[in-house]
Amino acid sequence: DSGVTQTPKHLITATGQRVTLRCSPRSGDLSVYWYQQSLDQGLQFLIQYYNGEERAKGNILERFSAQQFPDLHSELNLSSLELGDSALYFCASSGTGGTTDTQYFGPGTRLTVL
Amino acid sequence: GQNIDQPTEMTATEGAIVQINCTYQTSGFNGLFWYQQHAGEAPTFLSYNVLDGLEEKGRFSSFLSRSKGYSYLLLKELQMKDSASYLCAVRGSRELGRDPGGFKTIFGAGTRLFVKA
Repeated sequence: DSGVTQTPKHLITATGQRVTLRCSPRSGDLSVYWYQQSLDQGLQFLIQYYNGEERAKGNILERFSAQQFPDLHSELNLSSLELGDSALYFCASSGTGGTTDTQYFGPGTRLTVL
Repeated sequence: GQNIDQPTEMTATEGAIVQINCTYQTSGFNGLFWYQQHAGEAPTFLSYNVLDGLEEKGRFSSFLSRSKGYSYLLLKELQMKDSASYLCAVRGSRELGRDPGGFKTIFGAGTRLFVKA
């Protein structure tokens, strides 16, 4: 158990809908990262937050948005969902987001879009 | 562009040694990570290299050559539970335009290791 929690574990929804995925980092960690993992692709970096502020952005679609709250939990919002958005979504956390930081991953949310 | 290459699949025998290679081309380098991932589960951290050389941690060792853009993960005394995907990941440069910018971590597609009896 990494100490990172994610809810829900599974989510099934329809195309065009909007969902929110939630992540709580390890105690003491300030940085949160979101990743998408599809069957045919590796882990794709989406976005990083540090202490409430966006710090780095990867291949995140405009239909997706995220934020980190004052209590350091983070939410990833996915809207206008398409079939291709079906994937495992992982959250990871680290202490400071610095050069020697190690990211510890949560159990993931499996999103199925029908 | 940025690219990380690792073999798609490998098979090895219980008790043996296996070496999983990773080559990378990234804009900037601030460390290389190896993660283990069982199917449908979260990646778990195995090792971190930022300087050239070998880092040993129990049955697992990781090597880095920055000049060659090359790393390998060495697994000794293989056990059946080592059957998993092994992900090579590179932390690149700080993102510009932010104060301070964060780091993008690029993951390879992973190497699926099958350990047979």
